[in-house]
Amino acid sequence: AQKITQTQPGMFVQEKEAVTLDCTYDTSDQSYGLFWYKQPSSGEMIFLIYQGSYDEQNATEGRYSLNFQKARKSANLVISASQLGDSAMYFCAMRPLNTGFQKLVFGTGTRLLVSP
Amino acid sequence: DAGVTQSPTHLIKTRGQQVTLRCSPKSGHDTVSWYQQALGQGPQFIFQYYEEEERQRGNFPDRFSGHQFPNYSSELNVNALLLGDSALYLCASSYSTGTTEAFFGQGTRLTVV
Repeated sequence: AQKITQTQPGMFVQEKEAVTLDCTYDTSDQSYGLFWYKQPSSGEMIFLIYQGSYDEQNATEGRYSLNFQKARKSANLVISASQLGDSAMYFCAMRPLNTGFQKLVFGTGTRLLVSP
Repeated sequence: DAGVTQSPTHLIKTRGQQVTLRCSPKSGHDTVSWYQQALGQGPQFIFQYYEEEERQRGNFPDRFSGHQFPNYSSELNVNALLLGDSALYLCASSYSTGTTEAFFGQGTRLTVV
């Protein structure tokens, strides 16, 4: 079974500052993928960044980077230079790779509020 | 290129009724998954369809059923609605192979009264 834990219900950050959203995971799969999604109040889940368990380098996508520490089973999202539009719910998720099954397991999310 | 589209966006139903939600996947995607997101929670996997068959199912009762059509679009049906079925229902599409991410629709917000 897979499990995602997000221990920060809410985070506050000032515009232009960096913020780290925590995510730890548990799985017995050898090959897995880790994902971060952003969910604005409109409801749509927007894909931000992906990290494969065998990727040696941390993933980056623009202002988003994923701090992957495999031994600690953590996959924290770092948002640099926060913007007002970054205010939303953020979900960490995972799924096994190299199988035909693509079920995503999500955490409970972190609400990020960016203030001017 | 249209992304994942879901209809309707909002729906109000009475306990005991039946509901059908619809999803059109992103162009080129052949796999559709459905998730239920209760207020304040993360999405929970309901089931996944590939090649018109249910390939994987989460911990949901048989009242939840689905269908995938030859054009890869999908329906989610819920029978005998309960108050606890009130939630945001999200559809996600993806390719059947590889490590690519799933793309989500904007969801259908179902309220059962």
